[in-house]
Amino acid sequence: DIQMTQSPSTLSASVGDRVTITCRASQSVSTWLAWYQQKPGRAPNLLIYQASRLESGVPSRFSGSGSGTEFTLTISSLQPDDFATYYCQQYNSYSPFSFGPGTKVDIK
Amino acid sequence: QVRLQESGPGLVKPSQTLSLTCTVSGGSISGGSFYWSWIRQPAGKGLEWIGRLYTGGSTIYSPSLKSRVTISVDSSKNQFSLKLTSVTAADTAMYYCAREGEGADYWGRGTLVTVSS
Repeated sequence: DIQMTQSPSTLSASVGDRVTITCRASQSVSTWLAWYQQKPGRAPNLLIYQASRLESGVPSRFSGSGSGTEFTLTISSLQPDDFATYYCQQYNSYSPFSFGPGTKVDIK
Repeated sequence: QVRLQESGPGLVKPSQTLSLTCTVSGGSISGGSFYWSWIRQPAGKGLEWIGRLYTGGSTIYSPSLKSRVTISVDSSKNQFSLKLTSVTAADTAMYYCAREGEGADYWGRGTLVTVSS
């Protein structure tokens, strides 16, 4: 099984800040990595797929990078709507998928 | 626009079987190269991937739940289902169904299942 970790678990930031979240896989997932945003009481929303491809309709301030076992999600200028919890997910088709434990971005 | 809707009992007794159905509209469950998945989230906790069904019918389950989970499809009704046996309070969660291709791009709104006597 592929285990996912994320850091930090909580991040306090201000509007306009550049924010970076790291996700690591226990073995290589190539670029089969997605990022989601989830707000309380809502289903997760896909932001990034294939490690760096922006899902249609997602603001360009979100970007992803990485390959193999280490990945990052960057928000270039944090907006009020971005305070939420972010999850990474590996979707290597040869194994069960799995999510990271999440990173909560809250207001400093 | 693809839509997914979960349905099933909101309360299940311990040791019994949890059964949920996901109805897909706006697209055929048999069309395209997609996985149809179940994901759950206990209150205040993170997402847990349960398992997936490929359009060809094959399934893969989370190792931690594999002995208790079955995901099946009814193409005639454009639905897929989750069965989780021998439930305990630890299975209390919001259960989501989702379509996965390059990430999970469509999700249901979720259904809360509580395991309690």
